[in-house]
Amino acid sequence: DSGVTQTPKHLITATGQRVTLRCSPRSGDLSVYWYQQSLDQGLQFLIQYYNGEERAKGNILERFSAQQFPDLHSELNLSSLELGDSALYFCASNTLGVKDTEAFFGQGTRLTVV
Amino acid sequence: GESVGLHLPTLSVQEGDNSIINCAYSNSASDYFIWYKQESGKGPQFIIDIRSNMDKRQGQRVTVLLNKTVKHLSLQIAATQPGDSAVYFCAENNRGGSEKLVFGKGTKLTVNP
Repeated sequence: DSGVTQTPKHLITATGQRVTLRCSPRSGDLSVYWYQQSLDQGLQFLIQYYNGEERAKGNILERFSAQQFPDLHSELNLSSLELGDSALYFCASNTLGVKDTEAFFGQGTRLTVV
Repeated sequence: GESVGLHLPTLSVQEGDNSIINCAYSNSASDYFIWYKQESGKGPQFIIDIRSNMDKRQGQRVTVLLNKTVKHLSLQIAATQPGDSAVYFCAENNRGGSEKLVFGKGTKLTVNP
């Protein structure tokens, strides 16, 4: 158990809908990262938050957004969903940012868009 | 641009043999590398890391080798066990740049009894 908790584990929704994925980082970790894992793209970095503020942005679509709350949990919002958004979404956390230490990953949320 | 890739998508070994998983990276500014293991239905799990000021680092049954000259990274697993069957990813980071990890597509290791 990495200490990173993601909910829900599975999500099935229709195209055009909006979903929210939730992540609770390890106790004490200030950095939260979101990654998307699909069969053809591997693990793609989406966005990082550090202590409530956006720190780095990757290949995140405009239809996607994220935030980190004062209690340090984070949410990834996916809207106007398309079939191609079906993937595993992982959250990871660490204390000082990945430059200093490895990131710990949650078990992921499997999103299926039908 | 940044890219990290793996030479072989699959690797099959016999239980007890040593395994070597390779990774090539293209960003010469990368200075921190991590190997992750991902079992089916689980998130990536940290195995070992290495910084660019090192050529080799050993853990429990695992060794990571870094060759900066040819931008190559390898993970050696000694006495491979069935529990080692998983997908292995290398990831790199340029500590002078953003904090994101760039992952390779992964190598699936299968350990045959």
